[in-house]
Amino acid sequence: KAGVTQTPRYLIKTRGQQVTLSCSPISGHRSVSWYQQTPGQGLQFLFEYFSETQRNKGNFPGRFSGRQFSNSRSEMNVSTLELGDSALYLCASSQTGDKAYEQYFGPGTRLTVT
Amino acid sequence: AQSVSQHNHHVILSEAASLELGCNYSYGGTVNLFWYVQYPGQHLQLLLKYFSGDPLVKGIKGFEAEFIKSKFSFNLRKPSVQWSDTAEYFCAVIPGGATNKLIFGTGTLLAVQP
Repeated sequence: KAGVTQTPRYLIKTRGQQVTLSCSPISGHRSVSWYQQTPGQGLQFLFEYFSETQRNKGNFPGRFSGRQFSNSRSEMNVSTLELGDSALYLCASSQTGDKAYEQYFGPGTRLTVT
Repeated sequence: AQSVSQHNHHVILSEAASLELGCNYSYGGTVNLFWYVQYPGQHLQLLLKYFSGDPLVKGIKGFEAEFIKSKFSFNLRKPSVQWSDTAEYFCAVIPGGATNKLIFGTGTLLAVQP
């Protein structure tokens, strides 16, 4: 099976702009979670989507939003970018049932805000 | 607030040395525990997990971890490390009922010298 894919892999944006990142989960996986990784704060949970519904949310401002489509693909959006949003954004997918907690991570999208 | 502590930020070992990385979490209820590994240039991979049952769990590549409930700990061990174990290791917790909301520790960078 193909792994989790994320596009684009690298992105440079300017403060005040908005950005949309995409994640395609492993085939058959219905849960998609997003994480932000920075040198200062480490890995932090953004939100999780399951069957097109947000199931969990981390402590990020409302500028960070996401959605999930019927084919389980997910997007996250960051509006009014700030310098501090520069980070590696990771997407992870998981199955249902007894393997629901095993998350498989993608390579990430490296966002640089200038 | 729920948190995960990894006490060793940077560990340097020679090949064949034994490894133990500490992990403590702060959550009083049921938890699911994980160790993830990130090899240079690669994405996060699940090393091992504990949900219930035998507190000594074995993962890939000869790694094991022991859950000690009374100490809120989930330390990672390997009897004999190899140069290929050079990577960053993350301990993570999903508090009971939080589905896929992984709370990560700050990570331990392991360098194995040949």
